[in-house]
Amino acid sequence: GAVVSQHPSRVICKSGTSVKIECRSLDFQATTMFWYRQFPKQSLMLMATSNEGSKATYEQGVEKDKFLINHASLTLSTLTVTSAHPEDSSFYICSARSSLNQPQHFGDGTRLSIL
Amino acid sequence: AQSVSQHNHHVILSEAASLELGCNYSYGGTVNLFWYVQYPGQHLQLLLKYFSGDPLVKGIKGFEAEFIKSKFSFNLRKPSVQWSDTAEYFCAVETSGSARQLTFGSGTQLTVLP
Repeated sequence: GAVVSQHPSRVICKSGTSVKIECRSLDFQATTMFWYRQFPKQSLMLMATSNEGSKATYEQGVEKDKFLINHASLTLSTLTVTSAHPEDSSFYICSARSSLNQPQHFGDGTRLSIL
Repeated sequence: AQSVSQHNHHVILSEAASLELGCNYSYGGTVNLFWYVQYPGQHLQLLLKYFSGDPLVKGIKGFEAEFIKSKFSFNLRKPSVQWSDTAEYFCAVETSGSARQLTFGSGTQLTVLP
């Protein structure tokens, strides 16, 4: 149980393109979803927290106009990297939680490469 | 803000050796503590968690961790590692505020030699 699906697993695109990443909880309802970014050999850095039906809460230093997050249903959240540039290349990971007293369950991550 | 330190960046052990990975955090309030494992090419998986109660928690695959509040530590242990334990291990801390966000350590790469 508690499976989180993230799609796509890998994206390679040109600079200036917008890229959408989906995160789905397959067998539970996720009241909260989280988006992380992971640089090589480094830890996961939280980008934003999103609660279903509410605006996402972004961490300091994360541009909300650059990284658009939508959490329209209890099983789906999307992260759109708008006008992506090479410095946005990274590994993006989502997680989902059914309630406050439950642990987060993680997706497989999306490797984004901007040329 | 809370922070999490994992002092061992890369640990190399032979099969059957005992394992202890250090994790220390800085936060003055109540915390929930987690260890996650990431096998090569796979997503993060929960190994074990501590919310309250017995400070010695047992997780999957023979792992355990001990919460020592006075030392702000939550070290991960396994008495006898296997080759299949080769993975990256992340310690994470969740504060008890309304947001319940995780702060991760930098991770420890464990390599078990057959």
